[in-house]
Amino acid sequence: AQSVSQHNHHVILSEAASLELGCNYSYGGTVNLFWYVQYPGQHLQLLLKYFSGDPLVKGIKGFEAEFIKSKFSFNLRKPSVQWSDTAEYFCAVSHGYNKLIFGAGTRLAVHP
Amino acid sequence: DVKVTQSSRYLVKRTGEKVFLECVQDMDHENMFWYRQDPGLGLRLIYFSYDVKMKEKGDIPEGYSVSREKKERFSLILESASTNQTSMYLCASSLHYDSTFGSGTRLTVV
Repeated sequence: AQSVSQHNHHVILSEAASLELGCNYSYGGTVNLFWYVQYPGQHLQLLLKYFSGDPLVKGIKGFEAEFIKSKFSFNLRKPSVQWSDTAEYFCAVSHGYNKLIFGAGTRLAVHP
Repeated sequence: DVKVTQSSRYLVKRTGEKVFLECVQDMDHENMFWYRQDPGLGLRLIYFSYDVKMKEKGDIPEGYSVSREKKERFSLILESASTNQTSMYLCASSLHYDSTFGSGTRLTVV
């Protein structure tokens, strides 16, 4: 069965620090890859997605992710985080009817 | 923008009650999904539907059923609620690859 692993469950950073959240998936076929974000008290929102083409994907709010097929990875990055990036981040994989398989999530806390 | 509306933000139900969670989307999407979200487990797929009256089990269907009588509405049913079904329930819809999520229903079973 497909699975998605997010390596860090809790991350604490100071403002302006760089962020990298790890994500690995187990499926060997063609997949679509996503990062979603859930700000406190809000619904899940799409940050960015990869279907094909350039493996470096840029999303909203300065986030980007790199798809490395040989490593089955899709890590999320941001060069300089802000307090407003405090949220929970979910990596997800889909194939067929867009059923999403989610990782366990990473809670990011950014301190001013 | 697609809007996915879940009828209740918070629900408290008693053990053994039959519970209905309603979800409506306004963009004629074919696919609709029900997930539950639990701390440390992420989101897990309960059921999904790719057409009216069609349904498929997800990863954790036990104790749940669904109904899709109209394209825009997808209902999740807890036949006999139990305390281990206390959770946040999220509905989503999609046309092709992007899923849009509702705000969620936080269900507490006491």
